[in-house]
Amino acid sequence: DAGVTQSPTHLIKTRGQQVTLRCSPKSGHDTVSWYQQALGQGPQFIFQYYEEEERQRGNFPDRFSGHQFPNYSSELNVNALLLGDSALYLCASSRQGNEKLFFGSGTQLSVL
Amino acid sequence: GENVEQHPSTLSVQEGDSAVIKCTYSDSASNYFPWYKQELGKRPQLIIDIRSNVGEKKDQRIAVTLNKTAKHFSLHITETQPEDSAVYFCAASQRGRRALTFGSGTRLQVQP
Repeated sequence: DAGVTQSPTHLIKTRGQQVTLRCSPKSGHDTVSWYQQALGQGPQFIFQYYEEEERQRGNFPDRFSGHQFPNYSSELNVNALLLGDSALYLCASSRQGNEKLFFGSGTQLSVL
Repeated sequence: GENVEQHPSTLSVQEGDSAVIKCTYSDSASNYFPWYKQELGKRPQLIIDIRSNVGEKKDQRIAVTLNKTAKHFSLHITETQPEDSAVYFCAASQRGRRALTFGSGTRLQVQP
């Protein structure tokens, strides 16, 4: 049973560029959440997708957007990258109505 | 919004000793409290969780206690082993809301 998978594992971008991160949920899960984890900090909630719609959003600017596909996989897009966007981006999946989150290993994004 | 504070930020114990990590939360509506373990370079893994209708939960060497009146909850690890060394995060969420709010983490080091 595959867990939550994310790609790529590492990414280097320059300021102003755009990036797309991908996530496949754990088998049987239909809900995907994205979190940003800065070095030495706890994860911060970006948004959650269910039934291909954004259901809740954290305190992140519109530069952060997402999508969920019919197979429940998801993408996180970040436009106009800033140096402060450098972080580990974690995807977590769950079953709707179940609070237990299962995390992927993350994408380490470096913005130079 | 919810705010979760976690302490201590670092904790060093001798193998076989107990370790206690404490968290406080601000929103009395929060009713789900998970704990995650994150080893260096790896994904956060759910190790135990508790809901607000329960005061204590145990799983082998790990236990979590919840005091709703004081709005704090704690993780207890007994008979610590070197493989318990990791960063531990507490989190809180409300039923019906989809975001977890995480504490800032505790780096636990178990000295052999």
